[in-house]
Amino acid sequence: NAGVTQTPKFQVLKTGQSMTLQCAQDMNHNSMYWYRQDPGMGLRLIYYSASEGTTDKGEVPNGYNVSRLNKREFSLRLESAAPSQTSVYFCASSEAFGNTQYFGPGTRLTVL
Amino acid sequence: GNSVTQMEGPVTLSEEAFLTINCTYTATGYPSLFWYVQYPGEGLQLLLKATKADDKGSNKGFEATYRKETTSFHLEKGSVQVSDSAVYFCALREAFGTASKLTFGTGTRLQVTL
Repeated sequence: NAGVTQTPKFQVLKTGQSMTLQCAQDMNHNSMYWYRQDPGMGLRLIYYSASEGTTDKGEVPNGYNVSRLNKREFSLRLESAAPSQTSVYFCASSEAFGNTQYFGPGTRLTVL
Repeated sequence: GNSVTQMEGPVTLSEEAFLTINCTYTATGYPSLFWYVQYPGEGLQLLLKATKADDKGSNKGFEATYRKETTSFHLEKGSVQVSDSAVYFCALREAFGTASKLTFGTGTRLQVTL
């Protein structure tokens, strides 16, 4: 049982490049989330998907898009990367109305 | 809006010392409260939780009590180990629609030395 998996683990981009961060969960959870973690700011919610087929903005959605491909997979896309998007990105999942979110190991992204 | 305030780190303790990491919150309604731990190079793991006032969450020797009167959820451990060195995040959850959204504190780094 892998839980929540994320790819890649590390990525370096140049300003203006695009990329997609992948996330998958094998716990049959309905809800999935993308967070970014920055020093001194804790985790901030970028986007979430309450259930398959729905997505909603979180606290810091600008510059990102998401796709809930199916119940297992939730991807995060940066269309034109900026240095301000240098961060560690975490995907998480939970049962609908569940208290516990389970986190993936994170992707460390650097934008030069 | 909701917010979580944690004590500034880093906290440096000797092994077997007593640990307290303070956490206070602001929320409407009746949130659930959580402590997550992040070990170096890893994602966050749920450490403990409490869903209503006066509940005590506990796990791996850590405890925290949901105090509504002081809006606090302080993390304690009687005797820390080197393996407890990590970043600890306090968080709250209020249900929003059909998804549960977490609000995190900024994290407190704990370093335990021999």
